[in-house]
Amino acid sequence: TQLLEQSPQFLSIQEGENLTVYCNSSSVFSSLQWYRQEPGEGPVLLVTVVTGGEVKKLKRLTFQFGDARKDSSLHITAAQPGDTGLYLCAGAVGHTGTASKLTFGTGTRLQVTL
Amino acid sequence: GAVVSQHPSRVICKSGTSVKIECRSLDFQATTMFWYRQFPKQSLMLMATSNEGSKATYEQGVEKDKFLINHASLTLSTLTVTSAHPEDSSFYICSVGFRGYTFGSGTRLTVV
Repeated sequence: TQLLEQSPQFLSIQEGENLTVYCNSSSVFSSLQWYRQEPGEGPVLLVTVVTGGEVKKLKRLTFQFGDARKDSSLHITAAQPGDTGLYLCAGAVGHTGTASKLTFGTGTRLQVTL
Repeated sequence: GAVVSQHPSRVICKSGTSVKIECRSLDFQATTMFWYRQFPKQSLMLMATSNEGSKATYEQGVEKDKFLINHASLTLSTLTVTSAHPEDSSFYICSVGFRGYTFGSGTRLTVV
């Protein structure tokens, strides 16, 4: 069974602060994705990382895939209240072009207050 | 990614009845769809992989006779929760894998 552990589980910060969320596994994944989920909605894809060591930026969000493709991190700079939500990492085995099933991380609930 | 529509968004049913949830891929012919369950304040757990024209593949611990999956066309997969009980109350989400994964908006099932 492939497990993805996220840390921290919960994070409450003030607007303008920086934060990092970690996603760790003992398994190797062909790709790893990050999602944000709002209450009562399905997860929305933020990014997919495929290559070990890859870094991707999405505005104030920076995603990194570990060299061994077992772990990943999400860094948010100058957090805003709109960043509030549940952040989920998810690993896939197999190419993303095929319908490989995803294993989701344990989740990190972020709350950003004014 | 694909455009995925899930219906209904919320359903309340009495214990012992069955509930059907639909997942439609609106712009992509999906031979495979996925069904997840999410309990409050928890992550998504894969229940089963829905395969068009064949039997679904269930994850370990998921009762296939309780959670019936039908994928009769390339654009529609249905999940039927049979003889629902309060412990089946959860948030059910489907997804389609195409150039990434797109998720439906989820169905909140409450069994009373």
